[in-house]
Amino acid sequence: SAVISQKPSRDICQRGTSLTIQCQVDSQVTMMFWYRQQPGQSLTLIATANQGSEATYESGFVIDKFPISRPNLTFSTLTVSNMSPEDSSIYLCSAATGRNTEAFFGQGTRLTVV
Amino acid sequence: GENVEQHPSTLSVQEGDSAVIKCTYSDSASNYFPWYKQELGKGPQLIIDIRSNVGEKKDQRIAVTLNKTAKHFSLHITETQPEDSAVYFCAASPTGTASKLTFGTGTRLQVTL
Repeated sequence: SAVISQKPSRDICQRGTSLTIQCQVDSQVTMMFWYRQQPGQSLTLIATANQGSEATYESGFVIDKFPISRPNLTFSTLTVSNMSPEDSSIYLCSAATGRNTEAFFGQGTRLTVV
Repeated sequence: GENVEQHPSTLSVQEGDSAVIKCTYSDSASNYFPWYKQELGKGPQLIIDIRSNVGEKKDQRIAVTLNKTAKHFSLHITETQPEDSAVYFCAASPTGTASKLTFGTGTRLQVTL
């Protein structure tokens, strides 16, 4: 399977600021996704990053808060905007190489908002 | 939307014993069911998956069973080893692919010597 690299691996941010998380895959993938995992809890899908078009957001997540880019088949960014302590979480990038293939995950970005 | 329940939340077994984790899902349209293992500080890693056209799949010490009528699926780990200790997540998707995955709440498995 392909390897996903996320940057940064962790960060501590002030409330009201924004953080952009980068996701780089070492090969071309069909699908890319962003998940949130609050400490000790399950994973929740934020959105599907679509190459060359607007991301598809899940219920409860909006573009103004979590703008996503995907300029090509190997790279995506997630921005967490106007952060509050409730945004403290692990953000995970995921990708799949084809329609009938598994999704694999990056190591995550641990975000703490103070 | 889909809702996936997972039990137990914690499971402790002795090395060499078997471990079983169960998940139920609500959306009868779900047709893809992966299982992930997450070690501390790492992203989830797929260990096995099953699609709705089969009832069971096995890979060495790991097996998954699916009962579509009852809408539940289970992970079976035999001959457990200390390195099996981790958090395990089940997931379900109605797309037949890795998109639109809804995850269960996780099971922390501890394999003791």
